[in-house]
Amino acid sequence: KAGVTQTPRYLIKTRGQQVTLSCSPISGHRSVSWYQQTPGQGLQFLFEYFSETQRNKGNFPGRFSGRQFSNSRSEMNVSTLELGDSALYLCASSLGRGGPYNEQFFGPGTRLTVL
Amino acid sequence: AQKVTQAQTEISVVEKEDVTLDCVYETRDTTYYLFWYKQPPSGELVFLIRRNSFDEQNEISGRYSWNFQKSTSSFNFTITASQVVDSAVYFCALSDENRDDKIIFGKGTRLHILP
Repeated sequence: KAGVTQTPRYLIKTRGQQVTLSCSPISGHRSVSWYQQTPGQGLQFLFEYFSETQRNKGNFPGRFSGRQFSNSRSEMNVSTLELGDSALYLCASSLGRGGPYNEQFFGPGTRLTVL
Repeated sequence: AQKVTQAQTEISVVEKEDVTLDCVYETRDTTYYLFWYKQPPSGELVFLIRRNSFDEQNEISGRYSWNFQKSTSSFNFTITASQVVDSAVYFCALSDENRDDKIIFGKGTRLHILP
């Protein structure tokens, strides 16, 4: 069974640009959660999508958004990039709801660098 | 407020030694879940264990064991007879069912197993 895949793996953007990251969950999984990992703030929850609906959202500005498609694939978008958005963005999928309910399987992440 | 503290930022031990990673959590809820994840150099988080607040039994899985003590709000992780492949960053995390289901991660402990 294929694991969680994230594309692209590496991305370099400049301030003010926008970026879209993609996550394909494990086949059959309906929940996708996104996390941001930085050296300073550590791992922080961004949002969770389940059955195409955002179920939960972390404390991030509105520049961070996401969506989930009917095949459970998810995208997250960051508009008007800032230097502080440089991070490893991790996606996790689970069979049912994420959070405390089910084991989450993580992808390898997308390393975003904002110059 | 929820909080997870991993006081040990970095630990180095020689191969075959036992090592314990500390995790102290804070929550006002009675129903919550605790997790440990491993992040090897490849970046992908690997789920190790999920434990609910009503189950205080210690758990052993091969060389790994977990000691959950509600009285001290701790969920410590011990690796017995450590191996070089255990070198990674280990994260403790907390999620409670009654609030918003978000997973709060500790800052992580970087473990170096020296040959």
